[in-house]
Amino acid sequence: AQSVTQLGSHVSVSEGALVLLRCNYSSSVPPYLFWYVQYPNQGLQLLLKYTSAATLVKGINGFEAEFKKSETSFHLTKPSAHMSDAAEYFCAVSEDPNSGGSNYKLTFGKGTLLTVNP
Amino acid sequence: DAGITQSPRYKITETGRQVTLMCHQTWSHSYMFWYRQDLGHGLRLIYYSAAADITDKGEVPDGYVVSRSKTENFPLTLESATRSQTSVYFCASSGTGGPLHFGNGTRLTVT
Repeated sequence: AQSVTQLGSHVSVSEGALVLLRCNYSSSVPPYLFWYVQYPNQGLQLLLKYTSAATLVKGINGFEAEFKKSETSFHLTKPSAHMSDAAEYFCAVSEDPNSGGSNYKLTFGKGTLLTVNP
Repeated sequence: DAGITQSPRYKITETGRQVTLMCHQTWSHSYMFWYRQDLGHGLRLIYYSAAADITDKGEVPDGYVVSRSKTENFPLTLESATRSQTSVYFCASSGTGGPLHFGNGTRLTVT
């Protein structure tokens, strides 16, 4: 079974500082990888996704993530944090349909709460 | 407006009662999902559906029932609610190969 590990349930940064949220996955086949963001009292919104094309994926709101197969990682970064980035972030993995897996069922990590200090 | 809507947004019920959470999407997406979100557990898949009349269990299906007679609706029923089912429930949908689109959730409290 696939699993996703997000290192750090809570990350705190200063406004303008680098944001780094860590995600490691375990998968027997090359996966599709996703980052979602959840603002208070809302559902999850897609930030970006990796689907076996470019290993560096750019998303919305200035976020990007790099797929590193050798490290089984998909860390999320943003060069300069903004107050509006404060939210909970979820990493998720699905199987690669090109390898016989199902790409529509996602396994989520437990989430990382990002706080941004003024 | 196109989207995915869940109702009710908040629900309080008593132990042992049956309660149904509604989910409706206007995109004609094939796939629909129910997740529950609990502190320290992230999101866990309860049930999913690949098309009308096709449903399957996820990670935590016990105590829940789903149906999908129409593509756009995917209700989730708790047949006899328990306190352990107090949670925030999210419905999501996706097209083939597409990302998940989430509703705004139903916060359920079982007393």
